[in-house]
Amino acid sequence: QSALTQPASVSGSPGQSITISCTGSTSDVGGYNFVSWYQQHPDKAPKLIIYDVSRRPSGVSNRFSGSKSGNTASLTISGLQGEDGADYYCTSYTSSTTIVFGGGTKLTVL
Amino acid sequence: QVQLVQSGAEVKKPGASVKVSCKASGYSLTGYYIHWVRQAPGQGLEWMGWINPNSGDTNFAQKFQGRVTMTRDTSISTAYMELSRLTFDDTAVYYCARDYCSGGTCHQCDYWGQGTLVTVSS
Repeated sequence: QSALTQPASVSGSPGQSITISCTGSTSDVGGYNFVSWYQQHPDKAPKLIIYDVSRRPSGVSNRFSGSKSGNTASLTISGLQGEDGADYYCTSYTSSTTIVFGGGTKLTVL
Repeated sequence: QVQLVQSGAEVKKPGASVKVSCKASGYSLTGYYIHWVRQAPGQGLEWMGWINPNSGDTNFAQKFQGRVTMTRDTSISTAYMELSRLTFDDTAVYYCARDYCSGGTCHQCDYWGQGTLVTVSS
């Protein structure tokens, strides 16, 4: 199972919005709504920020939103803040009954 | 509150095995699947598999089939991941994580352990 495709890096200024894409196939992202996004700060465990494509866990800022179109899922962060600088990973359930991660995207807040 | 506390760092020689523990508190271990995910230094996250702590059923990524074992001891609310025939490429931080769905798997994790560094070195 190949990793989902994410851009290696994105950047934005405080207050701006950015979007991170996550491209898979009909066997994963396109075939299921079990798509999630994790935020990981250096030397920390990942934190779930979006699940089931677009749902936010309790306590996660509504500046984070998720969506999906075809085989591509997207994470949008609006009103960028310094603390948003981190690595972001998408995941999806697959037709092989496994889970696949994206390669990760490093977000730099300028 | 829900917590997953993992065992400490390990150093192993190539060819050896390592067993990492993950103790759950704040909820019933048997109520939620436990996933194991690893991260090599400077690299991304890699899903290894899950265990249903209620039944003991497991499901592994093909890459780890035959080399990974996932077990649990419900009497002490602890899940285990054992990886055998270690190579230098197995050097990584290993995480346990709880599936967010109760009684089944929704293939996504809400609570994570702090991670256990496993170093394979000769």
